Amino acid sequence: DAGVTQSPTHLIKTRGQQVTLRCSPKSGHDTVSWYQQALGQGPQFIFQYYEEEERQRGNFPDRFSGHQFPNYSSELNVNALLLGDSALYLCASSLSGIWNEQFFGPGTRLTVL
Amino acid sequence: GENVEQHPSTLSVQEGDSAVIKCTYSDSASNYFPWYKQELGKRPQLIIDIRSNVGEKKDQRIAVTLNKTAKHFSLHITETQPEDSAVYFCAANTGANSKLTFGKGITLSVRP
Repeated sequence: DAGVTQSPTHLIKTRGQQVTLRCSPKSGHDTVSWYQQALGQGPQFIFQYYEEEERQRGNFPDRFSGHQFPNYSSELNVNALLLGDSALYLCASSLSGIWNEQFFGPGTRLTVL
Repeated sequence: GENVEQHPSTLSVQEGDSAVIKCTYSDSASNYFPWYKQELGKRPQLIIDIRSNVGEKKDQRIAVTLNKTAKHFSLHITETQPEDSAVYFCAANTGANSKLTFGKGITLSVRP
């Protein structure tokens, strides 16, 4: 049973560019949440997708957007990258309607130069 | 919104000793409290969780206690081993399908 997978593992971009990160949830899970983890900090909630819709959103600007596909996989898009967007981006999957056990992927390390 | 705080930020113990990590939360509606362990360069891994309808849960050397009145919960690790060295995050949410709010993490070092 494959766990949560993410791609790519590392990414280097320059300010102003756009980036797309991808996530495949754990088998049987239908909900994907995205978190940003800055160095030395806990993960911060960006948004959550369920049934191809954004169900909840954290305190992140509109430059952060996402998508969920019919197979439950998800993408996180960030436009107009800033230096401060450099972080580890984590995807977590869970099963909707069940107590919210969330399982994390390995993350994508984004560096903005 | 919910605010989760962890204290202290670092903890060092001798191998074989017990370690206790405490967290406080602000939203009395929170009812699910997981603990994650994150080793350097790796993903956060769920190690134990507790729901608001119980006060304590144990899994081998790990236990979690919850005090809803005081709005705090603690992770207890007994007989610590060097491989327990990692960053530990507590989190809280207000129920199924809701976001997790994390603390800033505590770095646990177990001295051989």
